[in-house]
Amino acid sequence: KAGVTQTPRYLIKTRGQQVTLSCSPISGHRSVSWYQQTPGQGLQFLFEYFSETQRNKGNFPGRFSGRQFSNSRSEMNVSTLELGDSALYLCASVEEEGRETQYFGPGTRLLVL
Amino acid sequence: SQKIEQNSEALNIQEGKTATLTCNYTNYSPAYLQWYRQDPGRGPVFLLLIRENEKEKRKERLKVTFDTTLKQSLFHITASQPADSATYLCAHSMDSNYQLIWGAGTKLIIKP
Repeated sequence: KAGVTQTPRYLIKTRGQQVTLSCSPISGHRSVSWYQQTPGQGLQFLFEYFSETQRNKGNFPGRFSGRQFSNSRSEMNVSTLELGDSALYLCASVEEEGRETQYFGPGTRLLVL
Repeated sequence: SQKIEQNSEALNIQEGKTATLTCNYTNYSPAYLQWYRQDPGRGPVFLLLIRENEKEKRKERLKVTFDTTLKQSLFHITASQPADSATYLCAHSMDSNYQLIWGAGTKLIIKP
């Protein structure tokens, strides 16, 4: 099976702009989680989607949003970008049975100038 | 609140020796702990999972222990190789939501 794919891999934006990141999970996986990773920080959970519904949400401001489509592909959106949003954004695909293990994509590196 | 800590300093180990990484947690008892490997510019890759009722888990040169009294998990790589150099992350979950809480990771450097 193909792994988790994320697009784009790299992105440069300026403050105030918005950005949309995309994630395609492993075929057959219906759950997608999104994380933010910054140097020195652990992975910070953003949200999880399952069957087009947000199932869990982390402690991030409302500028961070997401959605999931019927084919399980997911997008996350960050509006009104701030310098502190510069990070590696990772999405993880989860098989519903044996749900503990997360399969990560390569990430999207976002730089906000 | 749930907290999980890993040694933030890089760990330098001579090739062939055993590398041991530590993951400590406080204020709760996780249902299980997981260890992942992350290479620069890439997403984490799952290595091992150990449950609260297990003391030890092995996979090839990898071994994980779980001490609920010390609130600690140790991750060992025996006969370490330069290719083992990476950042190792531990994560836990304590509820049926399987919501993972992550440590910041420890960078492991294996010197030839």
